[in-house]
Amino acid sequence: AQTVTQSQPEMSVQEAETVTLSCTYDTSESDYYLFWYKQPPSRQMILVIRQEAYKQQNATENRFSVNFQKAAKSFSLKISDSQLGDAAMYFCAYRRGNAGNNRKLIWGLGTSLGVNP
Amino acid sequence: DGGITQSPKYLFRKEGQNVTLSCEQNLNHDAMYWYRQDPGQGLRLIYYSQIVNDFQKGDIAEGYSVSREKKESFPLTVTSAQKNPTAFYLCASSASGSVSYNEQFFGPGTRLTVL
Repeated sequence: AQTVTQSQPEMSVQEAETVTLSCTYDTSESDYYLFWYKQPPSRQMILVIRQEAYKQQNATENRFSVNFQKAAKSFSLKISDSQLGDAAMYFCAYRRGNAGNNRKLIWGLGTSLGVNP
Repeated sequence: DGGITQSPKYLFRKEGQNVTLSCEQNLNHDAMYWYRQDPGQGLRLIYYSQIVNDFQKGDIAEGYSVSREKKESFPLTVTSAQKNPTAFYLCASSASGSVSYNEQFFGPGTRLTVL
């Protein structure tokens, strides 16, 4: 069975600095997708960034980027120029490839990120 | 605006009562999901539906029931058999097909408290 591990329950960063959140996963499949979701205090879950396993290029979305290491089964999230609004719970999630109908996400337990002014 | 709505935002229930949480989406998504979120436990899947009139149990389905009579709607009933229903409930939906990420989009959630 697939698992997702986020080893940092809590982290903090100074405003304008860079922080990296770690995520590792375990799977025997070669076709899959990885996601980072953000849950701010409002508790609205928001997709931050996504990555397809067969794409070697790391995904980027403005100040958010990932370091995808397929062999190491690692999918870390880097937040550059951190802002106060980045303070939130961040969840890493895994989904199998598109073969079949199983679209379930496997979730990590989350990392709580604080941003210090 | 396309999106997912959940109602109510806060819900209070007396022990022994059933209660239904609403989830509606206008994204034309085939798949819908219900999650439960407790502090320190991340998201746990209760039920999911890949298509109208079909649904499957997730990891913690006991004490819950769902229906999927319309593509847009996926209500969740928390029954009196659910031993500890106080939690935050999130509904999500995703497109189907084999050519996209099919990422899940979430509603704003419902906070259920049993008195």
